[in-house]
Amino acid sequence: GDSVTQMEGPVTLSEEAFLTINCTYTATGYPSLFWYVQYPGEGLQLLLKATKADDKGSNKGFEATYRKETTSFHLEKGSVQVSDSAVYFCALSRGSTLGRLYFGRGTQLTVWP
Amino acid sequence: GAGVSQSPRYKVAKRGQDVALRCDPISGHVSPFWYQQALGQGPEFLTYFQNEAQLDKSGLPSDRFFAERPEGSVSTLKIQRTQQEDSAVYLCASSLAEQPSTEAFFGQGTRLTVV
Repeated sequence: GDSVTQMEGPVTLSEEAFLTINCTYTATGYPSLFWYVQYPGEGLQLLLKATKADDKGSNKGFEATYRKETTSFHLEKGSVQVSDSAVYFCALSRGSTLGRLYFGRGTQLTVWP
Repeated sequence: GAGVSQSPRYKVAKRGQDVALRCDPISGHVSPFWYQQALGQGPEFLTYFQNEAQLDKSGLPSDRFFAERPEGSVSTLKIQRTQQEDSAVYLCASSLAEQPSTEAFFGQGTRLTVV
């Protein structure tokens, strides 16, 4: 069945460090891929998405590239800030399930000044 | 409204008690989805609606769980005879269209604690 495997956390970084959070998926066909973020005390919100192979999603300095050959969608940011501290969720959605999202377990990121 | 509204934000229930969790999706959006998020886990799909019709309830963990949307806007998730394993955050989401690439907008959730 459809599933997402995400790098286990927590991840702790100093400000301006490089961030990578790994995400791989299993799905039939051509899913859409997402990164959602949950800031402390807030609801889940979309960070970025990609809908077909080789697409790159980007937002707020974060990037992720849809790699069909490795079934991956790793999240990267070149220089993290304290305000990036949050829980990050990788997710996929397929056409046959009309927008239903399959989430990874989430990765807690803490950035220290 | 500004976003997906869920109530109550917190609910403590004694084991065996029935609870009802409410979701008010964004006006003009379709398809409220319900998810269950256990501590330290990602959200897991429960069920979803298209207008008043419940199109997929394959994620409901037992027959103690059921959802309704009688007037095509507000949705209610009901849990009968709550058990400790039902303790989780229950999330509701809506979107502009029923497309796999469409962004889902989430409420802040209801944190249910069964004691």
